Formats: sequence, structure tokens, C-alpha cells
Amino acid sequence: NAGVTQTPKFRVLKTGQSMTLLCAQDMNHEYMYWYRQDPGMGLRLIHYSVGEGTTAKGEVPDGYNVSRLKKQNFLLGLESAAPSQTSVYFCASSWDRPYGYTFGSGTRLTVV
Amino acid sequence: RKEVEQDPGPFNVPEGATVAFNCTYSNSASQSFFWYRQDCRKEPKLLMSVYSSGNEDGRFTAQLNRASQYISLLIRDSKLSDSATYLCVVNMNNFNKFYFGSGTKLNVKP
Repeated sequence: NAGVTQTPKFRVLKTGQSMTLLCAQDMNHEYMYWYRQDPGMGLRLIHYSVGEGTTAKGEVPDGYNVSRLKKQNFLLGLESAAPSQTSVYFCASSWDRPYGYTFGSGTRLTVV
Repeated sequence: RKEVEQDPGPFNVPEGATVAFNCTYSNSASQSFFWYRQDCRKEPKLLMSVYSSGNEDGRFTAQLNRASQYISLLIRDSKLSDSATYLCVVNMNNFNKFYFGSGTKLNVKP
């Protein structure tokens, strides 16, 4: 049972480049989330989804877009990367209400 | 003001010690509370939920004080393997209103 899988694990981008982070879960969870974690800031919610075909903005959505075309996948896109988007990105999923989140192992992104 | 605040530590304790962390939250409407554990360069993992009556799981005890708006985590008989960062998480029973503290670092030393 893989749980939540994130790809890639590491990436270095140049300012202005675009990329997509993939999150896949095999637990049939309805809810999926994208967080970023920065030193001293805690985890901050970027976007979330309450089911296939739905997305919504979280606390820090600017500069990011998401899609959930299939229930098991939640994609996070950076349209034009900026150094301020250097961070560790975590995807998470849950059955209902966010207790018992399962997190992916994270993506370390550096924008130079 | 942050929604959830924690002392970043580090707390340096010897093996076998008892250590406690507190976490304060700003929104009195908060309804669900959790402690997560995060090892260095790893993802957070749920340690335990925090119930109004308090709850215990082995060496770990979690308490909620609604009047003073804080939750606590007590670890007894600390093990080397308890070394990690402990994240306090507060939710308003709304799936998108889920706030993480920045974590308290614990180092358990031999």
C-alpha cells in the first residue's frame, strides 16, 4: 500500500520556468491538499480539493494552480517560478475532515 | 498574530526524562486538535488527536485547556527515538481551516 506518492522528490528551477508537481493516493480519499513548509512558518495551505473535479484556494494560493481530474491525483502547477516559491511542498489526503491526514514524502523545490 | 504558536525549542532532555510542550491557539471557535510528529527532512505523521477530556497513548498524554486556549503534549520516559519536531495542529471543523504550528524541536540525548 503506497499511500500518498509525490513526484518529483527534488527539483531546481530557474526563475520564470514552469513545472507540475504530481500527487497520487491509492486510499480512495475524497479530500486532497497541497501545503508548503518554510522555516519558522509552519505548514501553509496552498490549495485543496474536496472531490474529483473540485478545487479551492487555501491560505497562500498566488502563483499556483491545481487540477483534480481524477480522484486519485492532485496536480500542483507553478506557472512562472519565483525564488519566493523555494520551499518544501507536501501533499496530503484524508477521508473526511482533516483528522488523520496522510502526507506524501514531500518535494524539495529550489528556484534560482 | 499567528493562529497557532509553539515554542520552537530545542528542548534537550536526557533519556528517561519527562518533557512537556504547550501550544496556544488564537481562535476560540477551534474544535479539533492534533499533535503531529515530523522527523528531519520527512513528512509529518499523526501522533495523536487531542480530546476535551484528555487522552493517553502509551508514554504520550495530550491535554486541552479551552479556557486558556492551549493544548499540551507530555512525553514520559523519553527515548532517543522520540527526537523529532512536534507540530501542533488546530482545526475549526472546516476542512480548509486547518492551522499548523511551526513546531517544537525535541532532542533526547543518551
